[in-house]
Amino acid sequence: TQLLEQSPQFLSIQEGENLTVYCNSSSVFSSLQWYRQEPGEGPVLLVTVVTGGEVKKLKRLTFQFGDARKDSSLHITAAQTGDTGLYLCAGPPGGSNYKLTFGKGTLLTVNP
Amino acid sequence: DSGVTQTPKHLITATGQRVTLRCSPRSGDLSVYWYQQSLDQGLQFLIHYYNGEERAKGNILERFSAQQFPDLHSELNLSSLELGDSALYFCASRPRSNTGELFFGEGSRLTVL
Repeated sequence: TQLLEQSPQFLSIQEGENLTVYCNSSSVFSSLQWYRQEPGEGPVLLVTVVTGGEVKKLKRLTFQFGDARKDSSLHITAAQTGDTGLYLCAGPPGGSNYKLTFGKGTLLTVNP
Repeated sequence: DSGVTQTPKHLITATGQRVTLRCSPRSGDLSVYWYQQSLDQGLQFLIHYYNGEERAKGNILERFSAQQFPDLHSELNLSSLELGDSALYFCASRPRSNTGELFFGEGSRLTVL
C-alpha cells in the first residue's frame, strides 16, 4: 500500500491549458514537499508546505496543503512545454525526519 | 548541479554479480539517503546515514548493504543481483539546517541481464 497516492498517474495536455494534480494520504503529515524530476536527472524540490490550509505560489504553480494535512494539490496555470516532467509529492511518515516517503508521481507531458 | 555526485552513471552486469554504487554528498552535508526508483514501485527509500551512523532503514533487501565513511561519502553494495534489481539508484543529501529538502544526485542506472 502506497502511503502517498498521486493522481492522475499520467497527464498529457496542450500548451496553455491549466491542470491540477493531487497527492492524497490517509495519514497526517507534518509537512509535504513537491519535487519535479526530468529525464536523466534526480528530483528537484519545488516547494515545502507545512501549515494546514497553506497556499504557496511559485510563478504559475500553486501548491495547497489540505486543512487536515493529509493531502496536497499542485495547480499549473497556462502550462508550458518546459513544465513537462514527473511531479512527485513526498513527506516524512510519522513525523520522522530520518526518512522521506514519496508518491509514485504524476508524469506530465505538455505538448506544443 | 545539485552538488551530489554519484558514480557510475550507468552499469550493466549479470545476475548473481555484485556491484558498488558510490555517492559524495554536497559539501558540508552530513546526511546521505539512498533511494531505488523503478517504473512500477516509484521512488523507494532504502537507507539513511548521518555522519557515519545508520539512522533509518526502509525497504532495503538483505542482499543490499550500505555504509558512510569518515569523509562522508557513501557506498551502496548490491550483491547476488537479480533481474528485478534493475533500476535507478539515487543518492541524496540533506543540509545541516534541516530544512527537510533533499538534494539528489543524477542517479546510477543499473541494468542486470
